[in-house]
Amino acid sequence: DADVTQTPRNRITKTGKRIMLECSQTKGHDRMYWYRQDPGLGLRLIYYSFDVKDINKGEISDGYSVSRQAQAKFSLSLESAIPNQTALYFCATSARTSGDNEQFFGPGTRLTVL
Amino acid sequence: AQTVTQSQPEMSVQEAETVTLSCTYDTSENNYYLFWYKQPPSRQMILVIRQEAYKQQNATENRFSVNFQKAAKSFSLKISDSQLGDTAMYFCAFKRSGGSNYKLTFGKGTLLTVNP
Repeated sequence: DADVTQTPRNRITKTGKRIMLECSQTKGHDRMYWYRQDPGLGLRLIYYSFDVKDINKGEISDGYSVSRQAQAKFSLSLESAIPNQTALYFCATSARTSGDNEQFFGPGTRLTVL
Repeated sequence: AQTVTQSQPEMSVQEAETVTLSCTYDTSENNYYLFWYKQPPSRQMILVIRQEAYKQQNATENRFSVNFQKAAKSFSLKISDSQLGDTAMYFCAFKRSGGSNYKLTFGKGTLLTVNP
């Protein structure tokens, strides 16, 4: 089945470390997104990409960077992790041709920064 | 900017009964989409149902239906014949229509527990 995968599923790291979260998709979608979920806050958009050469900041991009290595791969990096970046991170994809831009989510990565 | 409000942080219902989750939103747009996503303990985000604002008919998917009141900017989710597997966090989301409008604005979620 066409799918959205994220690695790792869980990660514990220390303050100041650099960490990369990876997302791959086999849906053939051109749009990819990174969200962060915090308890009581819902999901908030960090970065999004409409294609390999089109990357844009979302509402909470400070402290994060991204790389779109290929249409199917979109990585999120924390250059110097801090405890308040402890959260559940989701990658999502959507098709440019989709009228309602339905987004398909990966299984999430739970990140803990000590 | 659009906002989505879910006023019920937690709800519970007995198995086989009906429950309604509330969602209100604020927008100046006339054309948009509304969604309900389900997040069970597995963490996976699953689309439950969607509504296009220009359609007056309320969307229905099996046991899930919505009550869409455009003038009131209300979009509630009704779950009939609740099942234990419906236990999850439910998120309401809004998206503007047209062009390159991509952004989903989520509410803070309602945790639904279905009791046996």
